[in-house]
Amino acid sequence: AQSVTQLDSQVPVFEEAPVELRCNYSSSVSVYLFWYVQYPNQGLQLLLKYLSGSTLVKGINGFEAEFNKSQTSFHLRKPSVHISDTAEYFCAVSDLNNQGGKLIFGQGTELSVKP
Amino acid sequence: DAGVIQSPRHEVTEMGQEVTLRCKPISGHDYLFWYRQTMMRGLELLIYFNNNVPIDDSGMPEDRFSAKMPNASFSTLKIQPSEPRDSAVYFCASSQTGISNQPQHFGDGTRLSIL
Repeated sequence: AQSVTQLDSQVPVFEEAPVELRCNYSSSVSVYLFWYVQYPNQGLQLLLKYLSGSTLVKGINGFEAEFNKSQTSFHLRKPSVHISDTAEYFCAVSDLNNQGGKLIFGQGTELSVKP
Repeated sequence: DAGVIQSPRHEVTEMGQEVTLRCKPISGHDYLFWYRQTMMRGLELLIYFNNNVPIDDSGMPEDRFSAKMPNASFSTLKIQPSEPRDSAVYFCASSQTGISNQPQHFGDGTRLSIL
């Protein structure tokens, strides 16, 4: 079975500062990895995904994430955040052999960008 | 293209009443997922369908919950009788295939309050 741990429940940061949201996963098989973003009163939107190949993945809105197999981590980064990045961010994993595309989500990290 | 459409956006009802949540997936998507989001438990997968057939309902909390998908463009999640602990945001999501590298597309959710 897979599990996902997002190490920070809340991350406050000032505008234009860099940010890293941490995600560790546990799985006995190979996985696909995803980051989703949820803006207030909306559903989740895909930010980026890692399937295979280059361990550095670029997504929308200037975000990127790095897959580290040895550390079973998939941390999300942005070099300079905007007020509009204030949202909740979810890391998720899916088993390569999983039929149906079931996702296991972390508990979420609330990113709060202050002026 | 229209995204996943959920209705109603908000529902407030009294304990013991029947609640019906509705979802229209993206046209052409074969998989449909129902999630529940609460502060305590985060995002939980309740049930998912493939080509209108329920595949995994192991996340449905109890017999008071039921879900149907009578056709490819419509699904319902019913709670009968409802209880205050069912208060949550319920999301519907769809994906084009069940391959685990495909992203899920989420609706904006139904915020349910049981008094």
